[in-house]
Amino acid sequence: RKEVEQDPGPFNVPEGATVAFNCTYSNSASQSFFWYRQDCRKEPKLLMSVYSSGNEDGRFTAQLNRASQYISLLIRDSKLSDSATYLCVVNRGGGADGLTFGKGTHLIIQP
Amino acid sequence: DAGVIQSPRHEVTEMGQEVTLRCKPISGHDYLFWYRQTMMRGLELLIYFNNNVPIDDSGMPEDRFSAKMPNASFSTLKIQPSEPRDSAVYFCASSFPRRGTEAFFGQGTRLTVV
Repeated sequence: RKEVEQDPGPFNVPEGATVAFNCTYSNSASQSFFWYRQDCRKEPKLLMSVYSSGNEDGRFTAQLNRASQYISLLIRDSKLSDSATYLCVVNRGGGADGLTFGKGTHLIIQP
Repeated sequence: DAGVIQSPRHEVTEMGQEVTLRCKPISGHDYLFWYRQTMMRGLELLIYFNNNVPIDDSGMPEDRFSAKMPNASFSTLKIQPSEPRDSAVYFCASSFPRRGTEAFFGQGTRLTVV
């Protein structure tokens, strides 16, 4: 099983729709979880951290399920500017530093 | 703060040549990471430093790759000799001195080995 797995997509979604991505991770020792966003030919940037209790930032909601070892990201009222690749990220766990990245889910918002 | 600064932004070199990538982390960040990104493999952690000391280089593909951090504000990733399969985008990232915190990325170096 890969350390971090995501559906690569692409997800083609009409503007204004709600879209959700899931991500699974294999290392049960991982303690920190994030969603990063990467635009074409740009560097990854933090979108939001993922907390055990779930958290929301505007139109974005992140959830963590430790028992099943998956993370989700929900985007409501999607905008054209949301088109990007969304990377699921977990820390390496077991006391190791550094972040392990999924390969990303490609999202295309269509007008 | 200018963020993480990488140079060069683009590098095209011939197979067999030495390539040196440079990184200046954000001031005050104790962790520095080198990642490589390709379509096939995504973002891979190559090596990371804590307080200028290499902690884990298990991601370095082979002996042709080496990295140094002579001081808190500068790191290099060297490939010698370079091969076409090394073509990728190489990112440097830094983070605060606490495990599991956000990593801030530089704009990357797009390396093409022909």
